[in-house]
Amino acid sequence: DAKTTQPTSMDCAEGRAANLPCNHSTISGNEYVYWYRQIHSQGPQYIIHGLKNNETNEMASLIITEDRKSSTLILPHATLRDTAVYYCIVIAGNQFYFGTGTSLTVIP
Amino acid sequence: GAVVSQHPSWVICKSGTSVKIECRSLDFQATTMFWYRQFPKQSLMLMATSNEGSKATYEQGVEKDKFLINHASLTLSTLTVTSAHPEDSSFYICSARGNGYTFGSGTRLTVV
Repeated sequence: DAKTTQPTSMDCAEGRAANLPCNHSTISGNEYVYWYRQIHSQGPQYIIHGLKNNETNEMASLIITEDRKSSTLILPHATLRDTAVYYCIVIAGNQFYFGTGTSLTVIP
Repeated sequence: GAVVSQHPSWVICKSGTSVKIECRSLDFQATTMFWYRQFPKQSLMLMATSNEGSKATYEQGVEKDKFLINHASLTLSTLTVTSAHPEDSSFYICSARGNGYTFGSGTRLTVV
């Protein structure tokens, strides 16, 4: 079963930062937080992952709270192509379950 | 980067026939592959986890005799939907675990 909760939907103005929250209050010490996104009728695309420290790559930044019970994915300058469903997933070993995700709509 | 190829991208079949979906890791070896099913406007539901050379582990409620999974090599896993019925129509997606978790592009199955 999914171990994360996310808001169902969010809007963001084009060019602004999109901040997508995720709660994972039951996360264990060895479990990673992964973020994927899915554009309609395509396979999920990897965005970023982390364990304890904040992470940044060319796509996004991941902020994990000190107690690791929640995290935020940040898309620094959202574009229309970032409109998708974003999934926050807690993974340990082979347990890879998707939650309901957040449907992000970037508005022109 | 890691690439997972999934074929076919879409298939239409008659009720009662079987359909095979292939999932290949192109540039890495995948000891573990996952199969998901996704209905419209819903999230991905894990169907089974397969490890190379061993039997797949199915999630509760997934019929293993209906959804046959074979993971015979480190780069190939197949999902066969046997005796397909209209209610099996869905979007099927595979994922392969290498250095991370990479997903295929999905297969749209329509049973008529």
